[in-house]
Amino acid sequence: LAKTTQPISMDSYEGQEVNITCSHNNIATNDYITWYQQFPSQGPRFIIQGYKTKVTNEVASLFIPADRKSSTLSLPRVSLSDTAVYYCLVGDMRNFNKFYFGSGTKLNVKP
Amino acid sequence: ETGVTQTPRHLVMGMTNKKSLKCEQHLGHNAMYWYKQSAKKPLELMFVYSLEERVENNSVPSRFSPECPNSSHLFLHLHTLQPEDSALYLCASSQTPSGGTYNEQFFGPGTRLTVL
Repeated sequence: LAKTTQPISMDSYEGQEVNITCSHNNIATNDYITWYQQFPSQGPRFIIQGYKTKVTNEVASLFIPADRKSSTLSLPRVSLSDTAVYYCLVGDMRNFNKFYFGSGTKLNVKP
Repeated sequence: ETGVTQTPRHLVMGMTNKKSLKCEQHLGHNAMYWYKQSAKKPLELMFVYSLEERVENNSVPSRFSPECPNSSHLFLHLHTLQPEDSALYLCASSQTPSGGTYNEQFFGPGTRLTVL
């Protein structure tokens, strides 16, 4: 089971770039890396997904080194509304029992 | 609004009660999930249904009983729960192409369950 390790919390200020790193040393060949965002009293929301190298969408970038044992979620120019818990998920849809969300990183964005 | 609804949003029950949580997805997905989120634990995957068949049961106690009557609806039947079962129960759905890669899960808002 590919478990993940993330920092428990991070602080940032509005307008800064935030990088959250996740370790997944036991990632399997067929596993994808996915990040979710969760606000209080809401279900998690998909942010970005990747397999290797770099992926970018309208809200974030995901950097994955060649060995895939870690990944970094990059949030450009955060705002107060980005205050949330960010989860790194490693799993293979074809093997549901490999899903593991981890404890997440609580990001506090300050004015 | 994610296209996944859950009812009720809040539920308080005694240990001898029987209740059910309901989840409905309006996205045409073929897989549905139950998760448990406790205050001091990571999000825990409980059950997975793919094409209306249960494909995963992560050692969940029998006092939790899932039901998936069709691809749009998922239930979690609860009976003789314990106070430590108090948590946020989240439902999610996704589309799983055959032999394909991971597709994002869409989560409902959850049911906040309190067991007295």
